[in-house]
Amino acid sequence: DADVTQTPRNRITKTGKRIMLECSQTKGHDRMYWYRQDPGLGLRLIYYSFDVKDINKGEISDGYSVSRQAQAKFSLSLESAIPNQTALYFCATSDSFQYQETQYFGPGTRLLVL
Amino acid sequence: AQSVTQLDSQVPVFEEAPVELRCNYSSSVSVYLFWYVQYPNQGLQLLLKYLSGSTLVKGINGFEAEFNKSQTSFHLRKPSVHISDTAEYFCAVSKSVAGGTSYGKLTFGQGTILTVHP
Repeated sequence: DADVTQTPRNRITKTGKRIMLECSQTKGHDRMYWYRQDPGLGLRLIYYSFDVKDINKGEISDGYSVSRQAQAKFSLSLESAIPNQTALYFCATSDSFQYQETQYFGPGTRLLVL
Repeated sequence: AQSVTQLDSQVPVFEEAPVELRCNYSSSVSVYLFWYVQYPNQGLQLLLKYLSGSTLVKGINGFEAEFNKSQTSFHLRKPSVHISDTAEYFCAVSKSVAGGTSYGKLTFGQGTILTVHP
């Protein structure tokens, strides 16, 4: 079984709809991250959480919100989706108790906003 | 703040040829450096990382990278590529100074698509 799972894997939605992307991990890591990937732009950090009560904005948080429901779960919401939020979204985790935490990525959610 | 520039967006190469994917970074503090690989329709996985010590770092699948502090570079190399190396490769950097909420965050480059032709 995968250590970092994302649901759904693909999603098509319409402009103005609220959607939620979910991430779960079984690695026991305390830190979780949400990135979006756009062609030619690499990955950009949306939000990150260093523990359940510590949530921080990344470089492109506008239009997004997150919820850390438990150490193992970190959800990303688009309150009112717009077409330029069409992208590939990745969740990642890391362990702050490791010397320089390697980040482990989920398989991604491909989102299309019409 | 850190930034990462991958100098080639696409690199085509024939099987068994050597390849170098270039990465430059800028940072006002000491950094850790990473290369991740993304195979088609998959998430990212770590190829290798430089934390300290020897500037030549060996990773999985025969890849290696050399940290050059004076040139602020961390180029990825493989002496002989295979078809299965076709993927997108990302260079990334994080601060090496502990403390503060920015510690542990990765900044990625734009990615280099490596296509290996038979």
